[in-house]
Amino acid sequence: EVQLVESGGGLVQPGGSLRISCAASGFTFSNHWMVWVRQAPGKGLEWVASLNQDGSMMNYVESVTGRFTISRDNAKNSLSLQMSSLSTEDTAIYYCVRPDVRSASWFDSWGQGALVTVSS
Amino acid sequence: SYVLTQPPSVSVAPGQAATISCGGINIETRSVHWYQQKPGQAPVLVVYDDTNRPSGIPERFSGSSSGNTATLTISRAEGGDEADYYCHVWDNDSDHHVFGTGTRVTVL
Repeated sequence: EVQLVESGGGLVQPGGSLRISCAASGFTFSNHWMVWVRQAPGKGLEWVASLNQDGSMMNYVESVTGRFTISRDNAKNSLSLQMSSLSTEDTAIYYCVRPDVRSASWFDSWGQGALVTVSS
Repeated sequence: SYVLTQPPSVSVAPGQAATISCGGINIETRSVHWYQQKPGQAPVLVVYDDTNRPSGIPERFSGSSSGNTATLTISRAEGGDEADYYCHVWDNDSDHHVFGTGTRVTVL
């Protein structure tokens, strides 16, 4: 069974930093692109970042470029998102997501999410 | 960047069909995926590549795409289908994933 378990969410002050992680199991992690998607309270889904299988290719939504860094450790089946210069607009549930292995086009598995709250 | 537009809400009577639209320029040339999200839960994929259903998704869920509109149809709607639904495409012009604005389906 595919499992994606996020950790590291919490309360952080504006301008602060936070790192969230995702522990993957039940599939060959190193075969998949991996993605972070977020959802602000009461709002829709927003793609945040993607990372390819060996960590050499990544892309980000413009609003987080230069502030967020996506990374992975294939030996530990782990995905991370380092977030800095956080603002209240970054408050959201952050989902760890697995795209399909063939095209990395659709998202076939989602974690339960990590809540990140940016507030003073 | 590419924009996907959905109606904010759709209401349907039990047993009837609900149709959710997803508008985007020449969307028929892209692969469209659909997700169901119930309150307090993570999204679940219900249709991928316009018309395909993952295993475990009822046949009542079907997708289509033509011109500038993709459509998710829920046949014989049930109370358990009440949820938010999002369309999604990969925009290869920007190398970004794009989600639609979301539609709340209410089964009256």
